[in-house]
Amino acid sequence: EVQLVESGGGLVQPGGSLRLSCAASGFTFSSYNMNWVRQAPGKGLEWVSHISSGSDTIYYADSVKGRFTISRDNAKNSLYLQMNSLRDEDMAVYYCVVKGRWGQGTLVTVSS
Amino acid sequence: DVVMTQSPLSLPVTLGQPASISCRSSQSLVYSDGNTYLTWFQQRPGQSPRRLIYKVSNRDSGVPDRFSGSGSGTDFTLKISRVEAEDVGVYYCMQGTHWPRTFGQGTKVEIK
Repeated sequence: EVQLVESGGGLVQPGGSLRLSCAASGFTFSSYNMNWVRQAPGKGLEWVSHISSGSDTIYYADSVKGRFTISRDNAKNSLYLQMNSLRDEDMAVYYCVVKGRWGQGTLVTVSS
Repeated sequence: DVVMTQSPLSLPVTLGQPASISCRSSQSLVYSDGNTYLTWFQQRPGQSPRRLIYKVSNRDSGVPDRFSGSGSGTDFTLKISRVEAEDVGVYYCMQGTHWPRTFGQGTKVEIK
């Protein structure tokens, strides 16, 4: 069974940084493309970033380009999202997504 | 970016009655491989999203057969043949053909 467990969320000041992690199990992690999707409080879904199975293809939403970096470690079955220069509008639950399966999400709160 | 427009945004339904949600894209979602990457997600209150339908009309494992997807090109529909209490939540369409991936605004299904 596919399991995705996000971690690393928390309270950060505007301009600060945070690194999210997603621990994957139940499938051959190294064979699948991965995505981060976020959901601001009470709002809809917004795709954030994509990384291919071998990390050779990466895409970002314009809203995070230049500030966020997606990466993965296939040896550790883990996906990451380094978030720098955080803004109020980055406050959201961040989900790790693969093959249509979603983790439980991790909440990022940006506030002074 | 491809704009995904859902209607209605709110859908009060009577238990046992059918429901239908429309999703329209600003560009064709037919990919160069001939597939159409239109996905439907369900998000129950307090839960992570769950994929129901992929590539327009393919139901995920464990999804009741009262859910069906149809459409082509730029015009898609999710139908629930007989709404049950557990179907309450927000439904999103998402296109997976173009970058960046984009979601519809969401349709909130509630029981009358």
